[in-house]
Parts: sequence; structure tokens; C-alpha cells
Amino acid sequence: AQSVTQLDSQVPVFEEAPVELRCNYSSSVSVYLFWYVQYPNQGLQLLLKYLSGSTLVKGINGFEAEFNKSQTSFHLRKPSVHISDTAEYFCAVTRGRGYQKVTFGTGTKLQVIP
Amino acid sequence: SQTIHQWPATLVQPVGSPLSLECTVEGTSNPNLYWYRQAAGRGLQLLFYSVGIGQISSEVPQNLSASRPQDRQFILSSKKLLLSDSGFYLCAWSVLRARDLSGANTGELFFGEGSRLTVL
Repeated sequence: AQSVTQLDSQVPVFEEAPVELRCNYSSSVSVYLFWYVQYPNQGLQLLLKYLSGSTLVKGINGFEAEFNKSQTSFHLRKPSVHISDTAEYFCAVTRGRGYQKVTFGTGTKLQVIP
Repeated sequence: SQTIHQWPATLVQPVGSPLSLECTVEGTSNPNLYWYRQAAGRGLQLLFYSVGIGQISSEVPQNLSASRPQDRQFILSSKKLLLSDSGFYLCAWSVLRARDLSGANTGELFFGEGSRLTVL
């Protein structure tokens, strides 16, 4: 079985400061990893994904994430946050190779303080 | 381009009443379709997924059901709602045969706008 742990339910950060949202996964096989963002009362939107290749993945809105197989982590980072980054962020994992189910973490609410 | 629509956007229903949430996808064929429920502090819970017409996989036992009468239509239903059914319901699709380097389904999901259900 696969699982995802997002250790922080809420992360407050001042505007223009850097931020890291943590994600750890558990799976006995190779995985595909994703970060999604959800603005209030909306669906989720893909930020970035790791399928294979370079472990540093760049996404939209200046976000990036690094896949660390030995630590089973896929932390999301942004060097300088903006007020508009205030949202909930979800890490997700799937086993790929035709496996249909995607498992989500419980989410991290990023609150950017002006 | 592909689009996904779900409705209604908001719904207030009494306990014991029926439910029908509908989701349709445009611009793609033979997608995987999903229903997720989002409750505060619990992330997204996968309720049902479908890989084809009439093919439904249920992830959790509950009083909800799903149907896929057409290739790009996915319906979430209940005969009698419970208070615990309140939540934000999200429909999503993925491309069954999207190609990554290994030729597998990458699992990237595209979400609808969500339906907020309040059961009173």
C-alpha cells in the first residue's frame, strides 16, 4: 500500500520569506509524486510532478520540489512567497505503470502574512 | 482542450433525502474518472474510480454509490443522506493512456470545481 504524510497542517510565513512544505511517502515500489494547490472553494490544480529523471522538479508559480529516494521525501519549496500563494497544498503519490489510484496527504495550509 | 464540469456547486439537503452529483468531461475520450470527498483536516478521500463505462471501483464502505452511464459522465448518488455525508466533493479525471518515459499512466489528475454538500 502507498501512503503520504504531510507533517505540518498549517505553515505561517511572512511575505517574501522562503517556505518549505514537507511531504514524506511510503511505498514498496517506484512512485510518481505530485504537489497540488487548492484555493478556497475551488478544485485542485497541479503545481508540479516527479515521474523520473532529475530529482529537482520545477513547477508553476515559482515552486520547486526535490525527490529524495533515500529519505522518501518530496518537499515543496519557494524562495520568496507572495500573498497570492496563500492556499492549501496537497502532496500525492501513485505507483504509476497503469495503477489507477492516487493517494493524497492531509494537506498543508500556507498562510502568507503581509 | 479538455474541461471538466461538476454540479451543483452547492447543495443543502435534509437527512434521509437522496443525492445526485454529476460530473462530465469534455475534450478527451476513455478517461479514468474519480470521486473524492474532502473533509476538514482529513485531506482527500478517494470514494470511487472508474476506468470505463459501467466499471466502478469502491474504496470505502458507505451509503454512497457511483455510476458511469456514458464514457465522460460520472454520477455520485445516495438514496438516503447522513449527516456524516457533508463535505466538499471533487470529481477528477486522468488520461488512461498518457505516456511518460515508461509508457504508463502518469496519474496526473484534473479536478472539477467541487460541490459543497451540507446535510442538515
